[in-house]
Amino acid sequence: DTGVSQNPRHKITKRGQNVTFRCDPISEHNRLYWYRQTLGQGPEFLTYFQNEAQLEKSRLLSDRFSAERPKGSFSTLEIQRTEQGDSAMYLCASSLAQSRTTNEKLFFGSGTQLSVL
Amino acid sequence: AQSVSQHNHHVILSEAASLELGCNYSYGGTVNLFWYVQYPGQHLQLLLKYFSGDPLVKGIKGFEAEFIKSKFSFNLRKPSVQWSDTAEYFCAVNKESSSASKIIFGSGTRLSIRP
Repeated sequence: DTGVSQNPRHKITKRGQNVTFRCDPISEHNRLYWYRQTLGQGPEFLTYFQNEAQLEKSRLLSDRFSAERPKGSFSTLEIQRTEQGDSAMYLCASSLAQSRTTNEKLFFGSGTQLSVL
Repeated sequence: AQSVSQHNHHVILSEAASLELGCNYSYGGTVNLFWYVQYPGQHLQLLLKYFSGDPLVKGIKGFEAEFIKSKFSFNLRKPSVQWSDTAEYFCAVNKESSSASKIIFGSGTRLSIRP
């Protein structure tokens, strides 16, 4: 499978613990997005990268959330001191973006379902 | 800030009925518009996109969408739905730009087709 890969598929943790998710994008894709989705809602933008540079982080995100893409390939999303409200599906998507935003197409992974008890 | 509104949360249709799902966005500049679909148990995938030219765009599986700039709308249509169209549909937008621009999604419309 050469699509976007996310690990783990499911994560159950206790409140207050730290969790880290990994996303492996399609190999030639230069742009990588993280979204969060809860039941009945659309993907909520968290952050995105162009190669290794983090371009924007949602103002809705607290300082407990951090994302990295150290070599411009895979990315990790860490949540520190998890809260029950962090329970959601965390989606990763990648794209091969040209210099302009025109015609950008996202390829999504299956997501990581986080449950905070 | 840009945003996307999908007012129909759940639509239920019988097979062969016509479909129109509403999407409105708020952004005054030039935009790129998308519809993504998520079939049960599958990834989100692109259905169709508009970035310039003919405001009526055609996508996969007989879907089309019309960009009406004056109404800030990009409604999705299909003349005759099938049971296999049961899925969740998301409208999305980003700003047309010479650099990067994040893609923002609406809250989605769940489509249920009665066989």
